[in-house]
Amino acid sequence: QSALTQPPSASGSPGHSVTISCTGTSSDVGAYNYVSWYQHHPGKAPILLIYEVNKRPSGVPDRFSGSKSINTASLTVSGLQAEDEADYYCLSYAGNNNLVFGGGTKLTVL
Amino acid sequence: EVQLVESGGGLIQPGGSVRLSCAASGFAVGSNQMFWVRQAPGKGPEWVAVIYSSGSTFYADSVKGRFTVSRDKSKNTLYLQMNSLRVEDTAVYYCEGWDVSVALDVWGQGTTVSVSS
Repeated sequence: QSALTQPPSASGSPGHSVTISCTGTSSDVGAYNYVSWYQHHPGKAPILLIYEVNKRPSGVPDRFSGSKSINTASLTVSGLQAEDEADYYCLSYAGNNNLVFGGGTKLTVL
Repeated sequence: EVQLVESGGGLIQPGGSVRLSCAASGFAVGSNQMFWVRQAPGKGPEWVAVIYSSGSTFYADSVKGRFTVSRDKSKNTLYLQMNSLRVEDTAVYYCEGWDVSVALDVWGQGTTVSVSS
């Protein structure tokens, strides 16, 4: 199973918005509404931001939102804050009890 | 407080074995979906294994036949038995728990496994 494709880096200014893409195939992202997004500050435990494409767990600010179109999922971070600077990973169910992650995107807040 | 704490990592020779543990508090290992995820240096994370509340287990192709995920409900602990280790198994290994009923996702801080001669 190949990893989902994410841009290696993204950036935005405080208060602005940035969108990170996650491209898969018709066998994973395109086939199931089971896409999750995680935020990871190195050295810390990852945090789930979005599950099932666009649902937010309790406690996650509504500045984080998710969507999907065909084989590409997206995470949008609105109102960028300094603490949003981190690595972001997408994850999709890929059928046959397999899961596949994206390669990760390093978000820089300028 | 909900917490997962991994242990058992270290330096292992190729072909060797190690067992990772993930001790849970405030979160029932036996009642929820439990995952092992690894991240090799400079790479994105990779799903390794899952054990569902039913006890069913599934593995990534890269570890199938070599790794075994299990749990001890009495100790509220998740395990990953890793055999026939390869250099490419070198990574930080995280355990993750997912409570579907309340959409609660919990991760440990990770334990490092280095496979090298």
